[in-house]
Amino acid sequence: LAKTTQPISMDSYEGQEVNITCSHNNIATNDYITWYQQFPSQGPRFIIQGYKTKVTNEVASLFIPADRKSSTLSLPRVSLSDTAVYYCLVGPYNFNKFYFGSGTKLNVKP
Amino acid sequence: GAVVSQHPSRVICKSGTSVKIECRSLDFQATTMFWYRQFPKKSLMLMATSNEGSKATYEQGVEKDKFLINHASLTLSTLTVTSAHPEDSSFYICSALLAGGELEQFFGPGTRLTVL
Repeated sequence: LAKTTQPISMDSYEGQEVNITCSHNNIATNDYITWYQQFPSQGPRFIIQGYKTKVTNEVASLFIPADRKSSTLSLPRVSLSDTAVYYCLVGPYNFNKFYFGSGTKLNVKP
Repeated sequence: GAVVSQHPSRVICKSGTSVKIECRSLDFQATTMFWYRQFPKKSLMLMATSNEGSKATYEQGVEKDKFLINHASLTLSTLTVTSAHPEDSSFYICSALLAGGELEQFFGPGTRLTVL
């Protein structure tokens, strides 16, 4: 599976838009990009998944450039409850083994 | 959405005892479940893949005799930490694979194991 690199931590304030970028330089042609959110002492929760261009759902947007070597998770107007660790994973559409990277700890301040 | 539960949510045991953790898919059948371990402020580490009706597949470095996995039904996988020691204290998380139009993993809430 493609190795991913994310910033270890980010700070933001309530109401701001937060963009978390993930690098995956050796992404394969059939790989998808998936983001998970994890709160302390809880299991990860699926946020969004995409292959190329832009994907949007009710909680986030995922931007993927044409070369697909990186992706950006965008969280609109964050609140304190968005403080969590965000993981980017890359693998084939039917990939089932998840090898988590270090993730990005987002700290939202009032 | 699909729900995965774990039991117990927290367990404290004495060194040398064995602890069993259950992972259940509540509203779907899961032929494949996964077990992860997470130390404080660290990422999740995949321990093993549990397939219903067959032996689990362990990741490199994970002792299969230490961490016994049983996946006896399509909705239940168990992880038994045998002869637990303080260094086994960790957060154990399972996930279940929902096979359908899209393959997606659903994670359980985790089990906090503390070995005294």
